[in-house]
Amino acid sequence: KQEVTQIPAALSVPEGENLVLNCSFTDSAIYNLQWFRQDPGKGLTSLLLIQSSQREQTSGRLNASLDKSSGRSTLYIAASQPGDSATYLCAVKSNAGNMLTFGGGTRLMVKP
Amino acid sequence: DTGVSQDPRHKITKRGQNVTFRCDPISEHNRLYWYRQTLGQGPEFLTYFQNEAQLEKSRLLSDRFSAERPKGSFSTLEIQRTEQGDSAMYLCASSPRVAGNTIYFGEGSWLTVV
Repeated sequence: KQEVTQIPAALSVPEGENLVLNCSFTDSAIYNLQWFRQDPGKGLTSLLLIQSSQREQTSGRLNASLDKSSGRSTLYIAASQPGDSATYLCAVKSNAGNMLTFGGGTRLMVKP
Repeated sequence: DTGVSQDPRHKITKRGQNVTFRCDPISEHNRLYWYRQTLGQGPEFLTYFQNEAQLEKSRLLSDRFSAERPKGSFSTLEIQRTEQGDSAMYLCASSPRVAGNTIYFGEGSWLTVV
């Protein structure tokens, strides 16, 4: 059974810092991995999707990497802003089935 | 493309009552998913439709839960005889025909069972 863990569970940084969020998964037989953002009481917004054959994806100040063999992904946020404050979730789609398995999320607060 | 729409956004019900949530996916998305999320946790998969066929169901989906997608467009999730443990946000998502594409989530339907 796939298990996804995100560390840290919460993070508070001053504005302008570069930061890294971590995601690990137990079964390396994945189809793809997605990073989502969730604002309080809201749904999820997809940030980046990495296929299993890819090593990284970039969108603006966000960069996500994938090391399938070690079961790890990182989300790098450059020059953080208060508007980045949210919960960040990673989710893995395994080769078998159509479900996403989510981590518990990292709650990020960027202080002005 | 108006996004995934869910209704109602909030529902408060008494224990033992039945509730139904509706999801309208992005048009032409043939794949539809239901997830449940409790406070401080990541979403957990409930069920998956491809067109009108329900192809996957989680063990979380007890006999009191039923989901339908009668014409391959909108979907409903019904919870019968609600229990306090059913209190959660119910998220609907859809994705295009091509496997492995980005999944788009709705804003969720909050359920509180009192």
